[in-house]
Amino acid sequence: DVKVTQSSRYLVKRTGEKVFLECVQDMDHENMFWYRQDPGLGLRLIYFSYDVKMKEKGDIPEGYSVSREKKERFSLILESASTNQTSMYLCASSFLDRYTYEQYFGPGTRLTVT
Amino acid sequence: EDQVTQSPEALRLQEGESSSLNCSYTVSGLRGLFWYRQDPGKGPEFLFTLYSAGEEKEKERLKATLTKKESFLHITAPKPEDSATYLCAVQAGGGNQFYFGTGTSLTVIP
Repeated sequence: DVKVTQSSRYLVKRTGEKVFLECVQDMDHENMFWYRQDPGLGLRLIYFSYDVKMKEKGDIPEGYSVSREKKERFSLILESASTNQTSMYLCASSFLDRYTYEQYFGPGTRLTVT
Repeated sequence: EDQVTQSPEALRLQEGESSSLNCSYTVSGLRGLFWYRQDPGKGPEFLFTLYSAGEEKEKERLKATLTKKESFLHITAPKPEDSATYLCAVQAGGGNQFYFGTGTSLTVIP
């Protein structure tokens, strides 16, 4: 079974704090993704990575950065948390294939910024 | 602009009452269409991948179909444990991105 784990299920942070969200997958997937999910807006892609140290911006990268130092681990960093970053954050991973491939998701981190 | 639209937003069914969820898409060069199930407070769980028009896939009470413009998720004789939000996503063109719909929230009443 594919397993994608996220470091925290729930986080509460204060405005201005630096926040780290970590994701680990155990299936040797090349691709890893970070999404945020908000009611009525669906899943929106923040960043993705197709290889170690490689990253590409998604639809809403502003206010976020990422790090991928090892193949199995992908971190999302909120440099200075703001209240509009309160959301559910979902990590996903998949194989890299020239056709297509399904993504497997972690359980999510519910982040509240006060 | 690539778009994925799901309907209805919410659906309430009596146990045993079959129905369908719709996912319509406007993308160039569809590479795959995906269905996921998401329970409250959890990450999406992969259900199906469809690659080309005419393709069908089944799993227990669920059957997914694909045409050139839309996909249907048919639920036959649903049970309360089928209650969840069902998400549709597409991958298109040469990029690595997936485009998600906003989901259909299904409630099955005993």
